Amino acid sequence: AQRVTQPEKLLSVFKGAPVELKCNYSYSGSPELFWYVQYSRQRLQLLLRHISRESIKGFTADLNKGETSFHLKKPFAQEEDSAMYYCALSPTGFQKLVFGTGTRLLVSP
Amino acid sequence: GAGVSQSPSNKVTEKGKDVELRCDPISGHTALYWYRQSLGQGLEFLIYFQGNSAPDKSGLPSDRFSAERTGGSVSTLTIQRTQQEDSAVYLCASSLGGQSGTEAFFGQGTRLTVV
Repeated sequence: AQRVTQPEKLLSVFKGAPVELKCNYSYSGSPELFWYVQYSRQRLQLLLRHISRESIKGFTADLNKGETSFHLKKPFAQEEDSAMYYCALSPTGFQKLVFGTGTRLLVSP
Repeated sequence: GAGVSQSPSNKVTEKGKDVELRCDPISGHTALYWYRQSLGQGLEFLIYFQGNSAPDKSGLPSDRFSAERTGGSVSTLTIQRTQQEDSAVYLCASSLGGQSGTEAFFGQGTRLTVV
């Protein structure tokens, strides 16, 4: 079964603190993994994907196949990082995206 | 166009009426997805199109929901005899699909309110 689990509905941190948003997945093959972000009143947009291995807005995510995890990390959170974050997987080939339930990140001053 | 376009942006309808929601994907994108985002909920998958066919309709909540895609482009999501629980933001996304990449680009959504 294809499943993405984001165990935290809400993560609240202070500005400058490290952030880790957890994502675990269940899939028998080798999926592509993504993090999407939705800022207030904006459309859902791609933050990063595991195959690009980029750092976007200071965020990174490492795919751990052994633990089937794709946690999103940032060493120093900023207030503008406050948003809804969704982890998603795409099975190989032509198939739908499977999203987690999302984690709301609140960064307080 | 520059991105995925959805219309209308907002729709208020009376319970029992039918509604049609439209999605214009990015030109050249063969894959198209419909999701629903209810208040306080995550992204609920509805249906996936590859070209004009829908290999996965597993997320449609009832037979009141249907969707079609014509010319491998525009898609319409139809909800018949709307109910209050249908109130949500309906999101459309498109992607190149296949080995070209599966990054999905989302529209701004249609906020449906059933009164």
